[in-house]
Amino acid sequence: QITLKESGPTLVKPTETLRVTCTFSGFSLSTSGVGVGWIRQPPGKALEWLALIYWDDDKRYSPSLKSRLIITKDTSKNQVVLTMTNMDPVDTGTYYCAHLGGGLSLDYWGQGTLVTVSS
Amino acid sequence: QSALTQPPSASGSPGQSVTISCTGTSGDVGAYNYVSWYQQHPGKAPKLMIYEVTKRPSGVPDRFSGSKSGNTASLTVSGLQAEDEADYYCSSYADSKNWVFGTGTKVTVL
Repeated sequence: QITLKESGPTLVKPTETLRVTCTFSGFSLSTSGVGVGWIRQPPGKALEWLALIYWDDDKRYSPSLKSRLIITKDTSKNQVVLTMTNMDPVDTGTYYCAHLGGGLSLDYWGQGTLVTVSS
Repeated sequence: QSALTQPPSASGSPGQSVTISCTGTSGDVGAYNYVSWYQQHPGKAPKLMIYEVTKRPSGVPDRFSGSKSGNTASLTVSGLQAEDEADYYCSSYADSKNWVFGTGTKVTVL
């Protein structure tokens, strides 16, 4: 049974750096083909793909946010961490992590964590 | 890369069918058969409904079906039920070796 859960601060100030953690179970990020991605959703708006990390440490980033994002994994802890620098109020939203499944789909999602950017 | 284009809303009566389009480019939807569809109820995480254009994960009713022609993918919900009322998002793998989501469609069951 695959589960994922996001954790991190609920409030960050503008210009600060956000660090959100995805803790998962039911699979290993050391297994060939496995990946974990991050997606966000501003309140009332659409989903936006942010980043993904593969089992072999291959990393993919949204072209529009690439300069602000870093994704890392800790295989021993079953965790993936997304760091986003220079936070702005427009970055307010729910941040989800998800398991990369068949056909490059996201087949299991965490419940999401709401991050508000405000001074 | 730009978001895939979906109609903002779609509706149908119980038992009817509704089809949602998802238009991309030759660099995403048109280039790969890696189109997925997600259902999202208010306050909930998205749920995978269709992957690889036409495949349904275990547990997803066969009322949900997907297709693709050129740069446009489609999701059809047949035999609409009240619980199908939700937001739907398409997604595609893209030439830039990452993913792009659609703008989202709110489906209303009349």
